Amino acid sequence: DAGVTQSPTHLIKTRGQQVTLRCSPISGHKSVSWYQQVLGQGPQFIFQYYEKEERGRGNFPDRFSARQFPNYSSELNVNALLLGDSALYLCASSLVFQTYNSPLHFGNGTRLTVT
Amino acid sequence: QKEVEQDPGPLSVPEGAIVSLNCTYSNSAFQYFMWYRQYSRKGPELLMYTYSSGNKEDGRFTAQVDKSSKYISLFIRDSQPSDSATYLCAMSIGFSNTGNQFYFGTGTSLTVIP
Repeated sequence: DAGVTQSPTHLIKTRGQQVTLRCSPISGHKSVSWYQQVLGQGPQFIFQYYEKEERGRGNFPDRFSARQFPNYSSELNVNALLLGDSALYLCASSLVFQTYNSPLHFGNGTRLTVT
Repeated sequence: QKEVEQDPGPLSVPEGAIVSLNCTYSNSAFQYFMWYRQYSRKGPELLMYTYSSGNKEDGRFTAQVDKSSKYISLFIRDSQPSDSATYLCAMSIGFSNTGNQFYFGTGTSLTVIP
């Protein structure tokens, strides 16, 4: 089975622009989470979606938004890009939302560079 | 104070050595504990997943959780050059009204020298 797939792999944007990142979860996984990983740091939680509804939001500004589609794929949008938004954006899916045996399975991420 | 503390290393060991990686945490509500391995330019790969205190073994890997001390460890036996990567600890409260957020350490960079 295919793992979590993310597109694009790399992006270079200019300050003030907008970006959309895409994610397809593992087949059968209904929960998708987005994490930001700055170089040298661990992933930081941005959003969690389950059954097309936002279930959790991390400490990120309103410039960050996301949505989940009926096929459980997801998009992360970032508006008014800042230099500090440069990071690896990771999408993760999990099988079941609430039970304990639901670790995150990550894609390889989208590396965003803001110049 | 950060939720999860992890020594970033770097850690360098000879092939065949036993490696010990550790994290401490401050939130006593954490119940689920994970270790991920991340190669350069790749996403984190799940290695171990444990619930509550105790030990779990999978091949050359052993995960330990001591909730009384708020301390978790990952041991790698007979380390191989292919184990060279960054190791991330992660933990979660589980379901809450704000979703199921995972908290990560900063990662420890490990190099196994042939």
